Amino acid sequence: QLQLQESGPGLVKPSETLSLTCTVSGGSMRSSSYSWGWIRQPPGKGLEWIGSIYYSGNTDYNPSLKSRVTISIDTPKKQFSLRLSSVTAAETGVYYCARQEQLWFETWGQGTLVNVSS
Amino acid sequence: SYELTQPPSVSVSPGQTATISCSGARLGNKYTCWYQQKPGQSPVLVIFQNNKRPTGIPQRFSGSISGDTATLTISGTQATDEADYYCQAWDSTTTLHVIFGGGTRLTVL
Repeated sequence: QLQLQESGPGLVKPSETLSLTCTVSGGSMRSSSYSWGWIRQPPGKGLEWIGSIYYSGNTDYNPSLKSRVTISIDTPKKQFSLRLSSVTAAETGVYYCARQEQLWFETWGQGTLVNVSS
Repeated sequence: SYELTQPPSVSVSPGQTATISCSGARLGNKYTCWYQQKPGQSPVLVIFQNNKRPTGIPQRFSGSISGDTATLTISGTQATDEADYYCQAWDSTTTLHVIFGGGTRLTVL
């Protein structure tokens, strides 16, 4: 059974870079049927798509974050990563990684809480 | 920018049918999916491609689309269905490809 697990610092200072890794287990990343995405959720609020990386290595980012976001993939390690620069307190929240099949996110990680605070 | 609009809250009595709407321009030309999120948990896909259920999702969950509105229907609602529900669509005509609705809190009274 496919599982995704987010990891990374739970506390990031304002203006610094948030870095998270998602580790995939119980399945392969070497399938063109799937892509991999990051979604976040501020406390008590809704879901916001951050971006996705496709089997081809191409990426697709939320335009509102595009200048600050990088998503990369390391297929042999079965990991993909998120870097978000110049974060602010408003970006505190739970960050989820997910496997994307076509147009929907069919498996999600448990999420990791990132607090942006000095 | 493209937006999906959901009612903030819906209430239903146990055993009754709950309907949650999601509206957006030209939504009928896109595929809509739905996620269920219980407090403290990750979202779970309950409907994809407008009306398909993933393996393991109960038959009481169904989806439909008409015009610019997608609808999630829960028949014979159970207390365990109390959760937040989010619609999501994919828009290739703009630069924001993945769009989530604002979410609907379903309360089973």
